Amino acid sequence: QPVLTQSPSASASLGASVKLTCTLSRGHSSYVIAWHQQQPEKGPRYLMKFNSDGSHTKGDGIPDRFSGSSSGAERYLTISSLQSEDEADYYCQTWGTGTVVFGGGTKLTVL
Amino acid sequence: EVQLLESGGGLVRPGGSLRLSCAASGFTFGSNAMSWVRQAPGKGLKWVSSISESGISAYSADSVKGRFTISRDNSKNTLYLQMNNLRAEDTAIYYCAKDEVGTSLFHFWGQGTLVTVSS
Repeated sequence: QPVLTQSPSASASLGASVKLTCTLSRGHSSYVIAWHQQQPEKGPRYLMKFNSDGSHTKGDGIPDRFSGSSSGAERYLTISSLQSEDEADYYCQTWGTGTVVFGGGTKLTVL
Repeated sequence: EVQLLESGGGLVRPGGSLRLSCAASGFTFGSNAMSWVRQAPGKGLKWVSSISESGISAYSADSVKGRFTISRDNSKNTLYLQMNNLRAEDTAIYYCAKDEVGTSLFHFWGQGTLVTVSS
């Protein structure tokens, strides 16, 4: 089954850009993943998904400031022009046979 | 507008039972698989259980197998989670999620309902 690895924390200044990483385990580098955002005291929100061909599709209403890219087993979420409301936990997600997997989450602090 | 509204959470003693509901609207409920995800206090997201569009097939995390049962009533646009033999470690916010068609990626989330297992 796939395993997703994320750094526990990241920080960047207001107005700057930040790149968050989600790494797929060996043998699972082509898996489709999704990114979710969870602001403090709120439920998660779907941001985008990465297809196996490297393309990505954003959810409804997700600002252009959020973009994605990939390289091998790594999936990146880049947030540009950081705003205070971007301070949140970010989770990547995928699935395997009979299971659904989340990364441990990255807590983003906007300085 | 898609909406998922969970209910049924509360305080329950260890060994007790609880049934969560998730009322869906704004989409054709029977066209999507649905799932439950939980989040213990201060922790990350953990998948609990998923059910197919028709309700014929379902699967659950090992930590809840034999204790939790996911079901759905497509005529009522409602998803359920029957939780039996609850343990302290089941304490969490439980979220209902709508799966993207053809995948097990969660395209939309509810706001959650809190389950506290304590004596």
